[in-house]
Amino acid sequence: EVQLVESGGGLVQPGGSLRLSCEVSGFTFSTYWMAWLRQAPGKGLEWVANIKRDGTDKYYVNSVKGRFTISRDNAKNSLYVQMNSLRAEDTAVYYCARERKEFSWYFDLWGRGTLVTVSS
Amino acid sequence: QSVLTQPPSVSGAPGQRVTISCSGSTSNIGAGYEVHWYQQLPGTAPKLLIYGNNNRPSGVPDRFSGSKSGTSASLAITGLQAEDEADYYCQSYDNSLSSSVFGGGTTLTVL
Repeated sequence: EVQLVESGGGLVQPGGSLRLSCEVSGFTFSTYWMAWLRQAPGKGLEWVANIKRDGTDKYYVNSVKGRFTISRDNAKNSLYVQMNSLRAEDTAVYYCARERKEFSWYFDLWGRGTLVTVSS
Repeated sequence: QSVLTQPPSVSGAPGQRVTISCSGSTSNIGAGYEVHWYQQLPGTAPKLLIYGNNNRPSGVPDRFSGSKSGTSASLAITGLQAEDEADYYCQSYDNSLSSSVFGGGTTLTVL
């Protein structure tokens, strides 16, 4: 069974840090690009970052560049995002997703998400 | 403000056909990038519904179909069912932003 399970969310103060993890099973993790997306409360979806199969290429939405770092450990079938200098506007449910490069990039498998709340 | 524009809401009676539009620009849909659609049922994660403009993943009923023309795309749902009540999002790639972009989402209500 294919599963993507996020963890690490919680309440953090503005300026703080948090590391999210996504454990994957049911497919060959190392052969796929992976991504983080987020959804602020009551709002739409936003792509945050993605990472190449071997971790050599990484891309970020402008609003998180320099603050977030995406990484992966193919030996552990796990995806991560280190989030620093968090702001109130980073409050969202963060989803881990498998990204497909065919047909101009899309996300065919999603986790259930983990909630990050940035508040004092 | 989302890069792709969708109507905030649409509605239809059971059995009817509804369409959801997704308007983009020459840097995304109009540049030839494919459009994808996601369904998000209340309280759940998004699920891929249509990829590559008009392809359905395994398990998605053929009541759902997609199309694209110029700088816009549409999702059509025929034979509307109560279980189709959800939020629907379109997504494409934007070459001026160098990132995937989404529409603001459309809430479908089955009357």
